[in-house]
Amino acid sequence: GDSVTQMEGPVTLSEEAFLTINCTYTATGYPSLFWYVQYPGEGLQLLLKATKADDKGSNKGFEATYRKETTSFHLEKGSVQVSDSAVYFCALTPTSGTYKYIFGTGTRLKVLA
Amino acid sequence: NAGVTQTPKFQVLKTGQSMTLQCAQDMNHNSMYWYRQDPGMGLRLIYYSASEGTTDKGEVPNGYNVSRLNKREFSLRLESAAPSQTSVYFCASSGYLGSSGREDTQYFGPGTRLTVL
Repeated sequence: GDSVTQMEGPVTLSEEAFLTINCTYTATGYPSLFWYVQYPGEGLQLLLKATKADDKGSNKGFEATYRKETTSFHLEKGSVQVSDSAVYFCALTPTSGTYKYIFGTGTRLKVLA
Repeated sequence: NAGVTQTPKFQVLKTGQSMTLQCAQDMNHNSMYWYRQDPGMGLRLIYYSASEGTTDKGEVPNGYNVSRLNKREFSLRLESAAPSQTSVYFCASSGYLGSSGREDTQYFGPGTRLTVL
């Protein structure tokens, strides 16, 4: 069935460092792809999304490109801030199957001042 | 526009007690979900509802029941709480992405932090 695989965390970076969090997926057809962020003590919220191949989602300096050829949707940011410390979840909405949403396991990011 | 609201925010139960977690959304979404999140872990789907009047089991439905009362409200009931149900519970809702039949962005509530002693 469809699945999402994220890199294991935690990821610890210094402020202003470059961030990459890897996400790869297995799916039939062309799913929509999402990145969600969860700040401490809160629910998840959408960070960015892409609904078709080669689309680039972007928000708050974060970017991710829907790569059908490598089945990837890696999250990047050029210069992280302490306020970016959170857990990041990659997700997809499959085109078939039992579940409407499939989430990765999450990657915790800690940014040090 | 409140989005997704959940009550209560915190709850402590004794083993064997029952309770209902309430969830409501004001975005006219068809789909609603209940997840649990254990410390340091990802989300696990308990139940979901694709439309008013329908519910389906997720990955971890044992020990829970749900009711889709109307399009806005989706409640989760623990009939006989167990310590293994200590967790943070999130409700979410989503609409459709155009005419694709696929779900669009999920919107999450703030969570209910449940402790079962």
